[in-house]
Amino acid sequence: SQTIHQWPATLVQPVGSPLSLECTVEGTSNPNLYWYRQAAGRGLQLLFYSVGIGQISSEVPQNLSASRPQDRQFILSSKKLLLSDSGFYLCAWSVQGSFTDTQYFGPGTRLTVL
Amino acid sequence: GNSVTQMEGPVTLSEEAFLTINCTYTATGYPSLFWYVQYPGEGLQLLLKATKADDKGSNKGFEATYRKETTSFHLEKGSVQVSDSAVYFCALINYGQNFVFGPGTRLSVLP
Repeated sequence: SQTIHQWPATLVQPVGSPLSLECTVEGTSNPNLYWYRQAAGRGLQLLFYSVGIGQISSEVPQNLSASRPQDRQFILSSKKLLLSDSGFYLCAWSVQGSFTDTQYFGPGTRLTVL
Repeated sequence: GNSVTQMEGPVTLSEEAFLTINCTYTATGYPSLFWYVQYPGEGLQLLLKATKADDKGSNKGFEATYRKETTSFHLEKGSVQVSDSAVYFCALINYGQNFVFGPGTRLSVLP
């Protein structure tokens, strides 16, 4: 069966510090991968998605970037965090090539920028 | 573009009450429709889905029917439990496009 991992689970960082969040998927090959952010008490905002290694699409211009160095690894980064980057970050995957299929979510990373 | 509208929360019910959370959508063509549930501090879990008109998705006592004529996908449960307290998201996906989520509806079930 497929599983998706995210780490760290929680993170507290000062403004201006760098960020690296990691997501890995097991039990499937060539997945579509997604990064979402959920601000407190609000819905989900799609940040990035990837259909393959090195292929990243950005949905919202911002202080963040994403990379996919391996087939089942998706990394969210920032060089300098802002207060507004605080939130709950969710990684998700779906079956490659299936554009109407379910997305499966990881447990999330709660980021607090102080 | 595609969009999803959900009823405003929070919704507070007593245990064993009947639940309805309304969801309507705007989309071209024939999107697939989903309900996801998010328990406190966790990621989203797929609750149920329907891929074509008149399909009924069901899971854990929850049901939702894909109504194309009213562009709706309302979530229902006959008897809620305290453990159903969570945030519920309605979502759709159209071919070749990304998921669109509603804002979420927080449900609190009191014993």
